Amino acid sequence: QLQLQESGPGLVKPSETLSLTCAVSGGSISSSSYCWGWIRQPPGKVLEWIGDIYYSGSTYYNPSLKSRVTISVDASKNQFSLKLSSVTAADTAVYYCTRRAYNSRWYWFDPWGQGTLVTVSS
Amino acid sequence: DIQMTQSPSSLSASVGDRVTITCRASQSISNYLNWYQQKLGKAPKFLIYAASSLQSGVPSRFSGSGSGTDFTLTISSLQPEDFATYYCQQSYNTPYTFGQGTKLEIK
Repeated sequence: QLQLQESGPGLVKPSETLSLTCAVSGGSISSSSYCWGWIRQPPGKVLEWIGDIYYSGSTYYNPSLKSRVTISVDASKNQFSLKLSSVTAADTAVYYCTRRAYNSRWYWFDPWGQGTLVTVSS
Repeated sequence: DIQMTQSPSSLSASVGDRVTITCRASQSISNYLNWYQQKLGKAPKFLIYAASSLQSGVPSRFSGSGSGTDFTLTISSLQPEDFATYYCQQSYNTPYTFGQGTKLEIK
């Protein structure tokens, strides 16, 4: 069974870069059928898609975050990463890593990691 | 961006009840609509794609319908493990967007 696990600092200072890694187990990140990405949920707010990356390296970002986001894959470690630069308190959220799967023309997010809370504060 | 609006925001129901949650898109999304269930402190769990196709392993008491801008998630007979927050999500185009959630509580 595929499992995803986020890791990274739980506290980041304003203006710095948030860095998270998602370890994939139970399957290969190099599968051609999936994208790997990130979704966040600020406390009490709506889930927000950040972006994802195809195994080949093609990336898809939310335009609202695109200037600050980088998602990358390390196939040798079977993991992928998120970097979000110039963070502010508005970036405080639970960050989930997820797989974007598809069937013909339909996409969905499954599974999800357990989520990791990142707080932006000095 | 396509805005997704769910109603109601919260709902109280009893075990055995039939409940329906509505999701409306700000523009037509055909049937590019997914549903997720999230329990407190847990990651969302994928339930339904293409508006009405149940993910493998999801109990048949869950069903989805709709097309265009209006969609529903129905639970035919609530079980204790169904009390959670439910989210819709459009996969019609990027950025993929979610509804604000419907919290289903025990009456």
